Amino acid sequence: AQKVTQAQTEISVVEKEDVTLDCVYETRDTTYYLFWYKQPPSGELVFLIRRNSFDEQNEISGRYSWNFQKSTSSFNFTITASQVVDSAVYFCALSEDFGNEKLTFGTGTRLTIIP
Amino acid sequence: DVKVTQSSRYLVKRTGEKVFLECVQDMDHENMFWYRQDPGLGLRLIYFSYDVKMKEKGDIPEGYSVSREKKERFSLILESASTNQTSMYLCASSHRDRQETQYFGPGTRLLVL
Repeated sequence: AQKVTQAQTEISVVEKEDVTLDCVYETRDTTYYLFWYKQPPSGELVFLIRRNSFDEQNEISGRYSWNFQKSTSSFNFTITASQVVDSAVYFCALSEDFGNEKLTFGTGTRLTIIP
Repeated sequence: DVKVTQSSRYLVKRTGEKVFLECVQDMDHENMFWYRQDPGLGLRLIYFSYDVKMKEKGDIPEGYSVSREKKERFSLILESASTNQTSMYLCASSHRDRQETQYFGPGTRLLVL
Protein backbone atom coordinates (compact mmCIF):
# COMPACT_ATOMS: atom_id res chain seq x y z
CA ALA A 1 0.00 0.00 0.00
CA GLN A 2 1.09 3.53 -0.61
CA LYS A 3 2.28 5.79 2.16
CA VAL A 4 3.45 9.38 2.49
CA THR A 5 5.58 10.52 5.42
CA GLN A 6 6.10 14.10 6.47
CA ALA A 7 8.33 13.73 9.48
CA GLN A 8 8.38 17.43 10.32
CA THR A 9 5.25 18.19 12.30
CA GLU A 10 5.99 21.87 12.87
CA ILE A 11 8.65 24.24 11.64
CA SER A 12 9.25 27.86 12.60
CA VAL A 13 11.64 30.15 10.80
CA VAL A 14 12.30 33.85 10.82
CA GLU A 15 11.08 35.79 7.83
CA LYS A 16 13.44 35.80 4.84
CA GLU A 17 15.06 32.54 5.83
CA ASP A 18 14.92 29.57 3.48
CA VAL A 19 13.02 26.49 4.63
CA THR A 20 12.70 22.96 3.27
CA LEU A 21 9.73 20.70 3.91
CA ASP A 22 10.45 17.01 3.60
CA CYS A 23 8.27 14.38 1.97
CA VAL A 24 9.09 10.69 1.67
CA TYR A 25 6.76 8.28 -0.10
CA GLU A 26 6.30 4.55 -0.55
CA THR A 27 4.68 2.91 -3.53
CA ARG A 28 4.94 -0.30 -5.54
CA ASP A 29 3.82 1.36 -8.74
CA THR A 30 6.28 2.48 -11.35
CA THR A 31 3.88 5.17 -12.49
CA TYR A 32 2.58 7.59 -9.90
CA TYR A 33 2.01 11.26 -9.24
CA LEU A 34 3.14 13.46 -6.39
CA PHE A 35 1.46 16.64 -5.20
CA TRP A 36 1.95 19.46 -2.76
CA TYR A 37 -0.94 21.40 -1.29
CA LYS A 38 -1.00 24.45 0.97
CA GLN A 39 -3.67 24.93 3.62
CA PRO A 40 -3.72 28.52 4.92
CA PRO A 41 -5.61 29.44 8.09
CA SER A 42 -8.80 29.85 6.04
CA GLY A 43 -8.84 26.07 5.68
CA GLU A 44 -9.11 25.54 1.93
CA LEU A 45 -6.41 23.39 0.38
CA VAL A 46 -4.62 25.13 -2.44
CA PHE A 47 -2.86 23.12 -5.12
CA LEU A 48 0.83 23.97 -5.57
CA ILE A 49 2.40 21.37 -7.84
CA ARG A 50 1.94 17.98 -9.51
CA ARG A 51 4.86 15.84 -10.66
CA ASN A 52 4.77 12.47 -12.40
CA SER A 53 7.20 9.68 -11.65
CA PHE A 54 8.90 9.90 -15.02
CA ASP A 55 9.93 13.49 -14.63
CA GLU A 56 12.73 13.96 -12.13
CA GLN A 57 13.55 17.46 -13.19
CA ASN A 58 13.51 19.92 -10.37
CA GLU A 59 10.97 22.67 -10.67
CA ILE A 60 11.09 26.29 -9.63
CA SER A 61 8.16 28.66 -9.40
CA GLY A 62 9.12 32.02 -7.99
CA ARG A 63 10.27 31.48 -4.41
CA TYR A 64 9.10 27.86 -4.46
CA SER A 65 11.15 24.94 -5.66
CA TRP A 66 10.74 21.19 -5.58
CA ASN A 67 13.37 18.47 -5.52
CA PHE A 68 12.16 15.05 -6.72
CA GLN A 69 14.57 12.16 -6.16
CA LYS A 70 13.34 8.68 -7.02
CA SER A 71 16.48 7.10 -5.58
CA THR A 72 15.48 8.24 -2.10
CA SER A 73 11.70 8.32 -2.73
CA SER A 74 11.58 11.95 -1.73
CA PHE A 75 9.79 15.01 -3.03
CA ASN A 76 10.99 17.94 -0.95
CA PHE A 77 9.67 21.48 -1.09
CA THR A 78 11.82 24.55 -0.49
CA ILE A 79 10.64 28.10 0.11
CA THR A 80 13.30 30.71 -0.48
CA ALA A 81 13.22 34.04 1.34
CA SER A 82 10.16 33.05 3.33
CA GLN A 83 7.35 35.52 3.98
CA VAL A 84 4.66 35.69 6.65
CA VAL A 85 2.06 34.76 4.01
CA ASP A 86 3.79 31.41 3.65
CA SER A 87 2.56 30.43 7.12
CA ALA A 88 0.27 27.45 6.56
CA VAL A 89 0.02 23.71 6.79
CA TYR A 90 1.61 21.99 3.82
CA PHE A 91 0.59 18.54 2.64
CA CYS A 92 2.40 16.17 0.36
CA ALA A 93 0.26 13.57 -1.45
CA LEU A 94 0.63 10.57 -3.74
CA SER A 95 -1.64 9.18 -6.45
CA GLU A 96 -1.05 5.73 -7.88
CA ASP A 97 -2.87 2.79 -9.52
CA PHE A 98 -3.73 3.24 -13.12
CA GLY A 99 -7.25 4.61 -13.48
CA ASN A 100 -7.54 5.34 -9.79
CA GLU A 101 -7.44 8.96 -8.81
CA LYS A 102 -7.31 8.55 -5.04
CA LEU A 103 -4.81 10.65 -3.15
CA THR A 104 -2.88 9.46 -0.13
CA PHE A 105 -1.84 12.38 2.03
CA GLY A 106 0.94 12.84 4.50
CA THR A 107 0.13 14.18 7.94
CA GLY A 108 1.20 17.70 7.02
CA THR A 109 3.83 20.16 8.21
CA ARG A 110 2.75 23.33 9.98
CA LEU A 111 5.03 26.15 8.89
CA THR A 112 5.16 29.36 10.89
CA ILE A 113 7.06 32.34 9.57
CA ILE A 114 8.07 34.70 12.35
CA PRO A 115 8.12 38.39 11.35
CA ASP B 1 -12.41 29.95 -11.86
CA VAL B 2 -12.83 26.50 -10.31
CA LYS B 3 -15.32 26.30 -7.51
CA VAL B 4 -16.14 23.69 -4.89
CA THR B 5 -18.61 24.81 -2.27
CA GLN B 6 -19.71 23.17 0.94
CA SER B 7 -23.05 23.90 2.56
CA SER B 8 -21.72 24.98 5.95
CA ARG B 9 -18.43 26.19 7.37
CA TYR B 10 -19.38 25.31 10.93
CA LEU B 11 -21.93 22.84 12.24
CA VAL B 12 -22.90 21.74 15.74
CA LYS B 13 -24.95 18.58 16.17
CA ARG B 14 -25.96 16.28 18.99
CA THR B 15 -25.04 12.64 19.36
CA GLY B 16 -27.45 10.42 17.47
CA GLU B 17 -28.58 13.08 15.00
CA LYS B 18 -28.53 12.42 11.28
CA VAL B 19 -26.18 14.87 9.61
CA PHE B 20 -25.96 15.85 5.97
CA LEU B 21 -22.91 17.57 4.54
CA GLU B 22 -23.37 18.89 1.03
CA CYS B 23 -20.77 19.57 -1.60
CA VAL B 24 -21.31 21.16 -5.00
CA GLN B 25 -18.81 21.70 -7.81
CA ASP B 26 -19.30 23.73 -10.96
CA MET B 27 -16.46 22.31 -13.04
CA ASP B 28 -18.29 19.33 -14.57
CA HIS B 29 -15.89 16.98 -12.78
CA GLU B 30 -16.57 13.27 -12.84
CA ASN B 31 -14.79 12.50 -9.57
CA MET B 32 -15.80 13.71 -6.14
CA PHE B 33 -14.27 12.91 -2.77
CA TRP B 34 -14.95 13.30 0.93
CA TYR B 35 -12.08 13.50 3.41
CA ARG B 36 -11.85 14.15 7.08
CA GLN B 37 -8.93 16.01 8.57
CA ASP B 38 -7.75 15.47 12.13
CA PRO B 39 -4.66 16.84 13.88
CA GLY B 40 -1.67 14.59 13.41
CA LEU B 41 -3.52 12.34 10.97
CA GLY B 42 -3.64 14.47 7.86
CA LEU B 43 -6.47 13.93 5.40
CA ARG B 44 -8.12 10.53 5.25
CA LEU B 45 -10.45 9.47 2.48
CA ILE B 46 -13.97 8.51 3.56
CA TYR B 47 -15.77 7.90 0.25
CA PHE B 48 -15.38 8.84 -3.36
CA SER B 49 -17.46 8.74 -6.48
CA TYR B 50 -16.45 8.34 -10.13
CA ASP B 51 -19.84 9.12 -11.58
CA VAL B 52 -23.47 9.75 -10.79
CA LYS B 53 -24.92 7.07 -8.54
CA MET B 54 -21.52 5.44 -8.18
CA LYS B 55 -19.60 5.32 -4.92
CA GLU B 56 -16.54 3.62 -3.54
CA LYS B 57 -15.37 3.23 0.03
CA GLY B 58 -12.24 5.01 1.02
CA ASP B 59 -9.99 4.25 3.95
CA ILE B 60 -12.41 5.10 6.78
CA PRO B 61 -16.03 4.62 5.61
CA GLU B 62 -17.43 3.27 8.87
CA GLY B 63 -20.24 5.41 10.23
CA TYR B 64 -20.69 7.30 6.95
CA SER B 65 -22.65 6.96 3.76
CA VAL B 66 -22.81 9.08 0.61
CA SER B 67 -25.19 10.03 -2.12
CA ARG B 68 -24.53 11.25 -5.65
CA GLU B 69 -27.77 11.80 -7.53
CA LYS B 70 -26.42 14.57 -9.73
CA LYS B 71 -22.98 15.02 -11.21
CA GLU B 72 -22.32 18.30 -9.47
CA ARG B 73 -23.45 17.27 -5.99
CA PHE B 74 -21.95 14.81 -3.53
CA SER B 75 -23.45 14.41 -0.08
CA LEU B 76 -21.87 12.88 3.00
CA ILE B 77 -24.29 11.43 5.53
CA LEU B 78 -23.66 10.62 9.15
CA GLU B 79 -26.52 8.28 9.95
CA SER B 80 -26.16 8.66 13.71
CA ALA B 81 -23.54 11.20 14.66
CA SER B 82 -21.07 10.32 17.37
CA THR B 83 -18.54 12.43 19.23
CA ASN B 84 -15.65 10.72 17.46
CA GLN B 85 -16.95 12.16 14.22
CA THR B 86 -16.10 15.65 15.39
CA SER B 87 -13.69 16.76 12.70
CA MET B 88 -13.02 18.97 9.69
CA TYR B 89 -14.65 17.56 6.55
CA LEU B 90 -13.24 18.44 3.16
CA CYS B 91 -14.83 17.82 -0.20
CA ALA B 92 -12.84 17.67 -3.42
CA SER B 93 -13.45 17.09 -7.10
CA SER B 94 -11.38 16.31 -10.19
CA HIS B 95 -11.63 15.21 -13.78
CA ARG B 96 -11.44 11.49 -14.48
CA ASP B 97 -7.72 11.26 -15.08
CA ARG B 98 -5.35 10.16 -12.37
CA GLN B 99 -2.91 12.92 -13.06
CA GLU B 100 -5.52 15.58 -12.62
CA THR B 101 -5.46 17.87 -9.64
CA GLN B 102 -8.13 17.61 -6.99
CA TYR B 103 -9.79 20.90 -6.13
CA PHE B 104 -10.97 21.36 -2.58
CA GLY B 105 -13.83 23.14 -0.91
CA PRO B 106 -13.38 25.37 2.15
CA GLY B 107 -14.26 22.59 4.59
CA THR B 108 -16.96 22.05 7.20
CA ARG B 109 -15.93 21.98 10.83
CA LEU B 110 -18.36 19.63 12.57
CA LEU B 111 -18.73 19.45 16.33
CA VAL B 112 -20.79 16.58 17.74
CA LEU B 113 -21.84 17.09 21.34
